[in-house]
Amino acid sequence: AQKVTQAQTEISVVEKEDVTLDCVYETRDTTYYLFWYKQPPSGELVFLIRRNSFDEQNEISGRYSWNFQKSTSSFNFTITASQVVDSAVYFCALSEVIQGAQKLVFGQGTRLTINP
Amino acid sequence: AAGVIQSPRHLIKEKRETATLKCYPIPRHDTVYWYQQGPGQDPQFLISFYEKMQSDKGSIPDRFSAQQFSDYHSELNMSSLELGDSALYFCASSPTGSPGDTQYFGPGTRLTVL
Repeated sequence: AQKVTQAQTEISVVEKEDVTLDCVYETRDTTYYLFWYKQPPSGELVFLIRRNSFDEQNEISGRYSWNFQKSTSSFNFTITASQVVDSAVYFCALSEVIQGAQKLVFGQGTRLTINP
Repeated sequence: AAGVIQSPRHLIKEKRETATLKCYPIPRHDTVYWYQQGPGQDPQFLISFYEKMQSDKGSIPDRFSAQQFSDYHSELNMSSLELGDSALYFCASSPTGSPGDTQYFGPGTRLTVL
């Protein structure tokens, strides 16, 4: 079975610090997809990024960047110059395909608190 | 851009009552997923539908049932509610249900069972 592990349960930093959220996954599939979602205090799940297993290029979007390394089965997420609005629970997820359908397997989430 | 719509946003029920949650996917998305998120937990997959047919089933209790209608909206029916059913229920939609499709989530329905 596929599994996602986010070992950091909670992280607290001061505004403007850089912070990295770790994500390690397990899968036997050769083709798979990884996602990051943000869940702010209001509760909704906001899509941040999708990465397929064949694309190991790192991606940067503003203050956000993602480091995908197949060799270590990791898909880490870095926020540069953090802001209070970045405070949220962040979930890493793996796409598992069963009988042609797709479901997401989530990690336990990392609660990130940015202090002013 | 249009997003996934869920109703109601909040629901309070007594034990043993029934509840119906509704989901309206993003226009032209034909795949709907339901997830349950307990307090302090990660979302857990319940069930999915592609083109109005059930495509996969997760850890969904037999007391729960769901369907997708001709207009692609979906309803999650929950009967004989238990205290442990209190959770945030998310609906997500994707364009085709193909592997790697991004799932876009609705705001969730917070169900409280008293």
